[in-house]
Amino acid sequence: GQNIDQPTEMTATEGAIVQINCTYQTSGFNGLFWYQQHAGEAPTFLSYNVLDGLEEKGRFSSFLSRSKGYSYLLLKELQMKDSASYLCAVGDDKIIFGKGTRLHILP
Amino acid sequence: DTGVSQNPRHKITKRGQNVTFRCDPISEHNRLYWYRQTLGQGPEFLTYFQNEAQLEKSRLLSDRFSAERPKGSFSTLEIQRTEQGDSAMYLCASNPGRGDEQYFGPGTRLTVT
Repeated sequence: GQNIDQPTEMTATEGAIVQINCTYQTSGFNGLFWYQQHAGEAPTFLSYNVLDGLEEKGRFSSFLSRSKGYSYLLLKELQMKDSASYLCAVGDDKIIFGKGTRLHILP
Repeated sequence: DTGVSQNPRHKITKRGQNVTFRCDPISEHNRLYWYRQTLGQGPEFLTYFQNEAQLEKSRLLSDRFSAERPKGSFSTLEIQRTEQGDSAMYLCASNPGRGDEQYFGPGTRLTVT
């Protein structure tokens, strides 16, 4: 089976940096996704990690350690529009999503 | 291409009725996925297709749920004898193939009264 854990909620301040962690247990691993979902909207793709290490994409970076079953999403220079849920997902054919982390940004 | 579309966007039905939702994926995307999402939860996998073939169906999906993708393009999800517990957002996504980014549609919000 597969199990994905991430914090339920986090709060950060505009302009700051926040790290959202995700741990997973899977019977087979092919890749790890991060999606952003604003309230009432569909998820949108942020990143995909297959190999260990850090992938940077503008203000967002994603890290993966396959041996530890661990990933994190790093958001820099936070903006109010970053207030959303961040979904960690594992898979390749069938994608299994975590419950998401609701990120609140304070001015 | 305008992305993944889903119809209807909202559906209110009475318990016991049948409902059908439609998803039109991005053109030439071979894979199509159905998810269900309730408030405060991540999307829950229901089923997926590679072209017209249904490759996997969640064990959580009861026999009241059926999905088709007859010509490998659009897909339909039918729920028979709806129950209040079926109330959720039903999301469709598509991608070109294995491991690719999934593009989500806006979802169909189902309310069973």
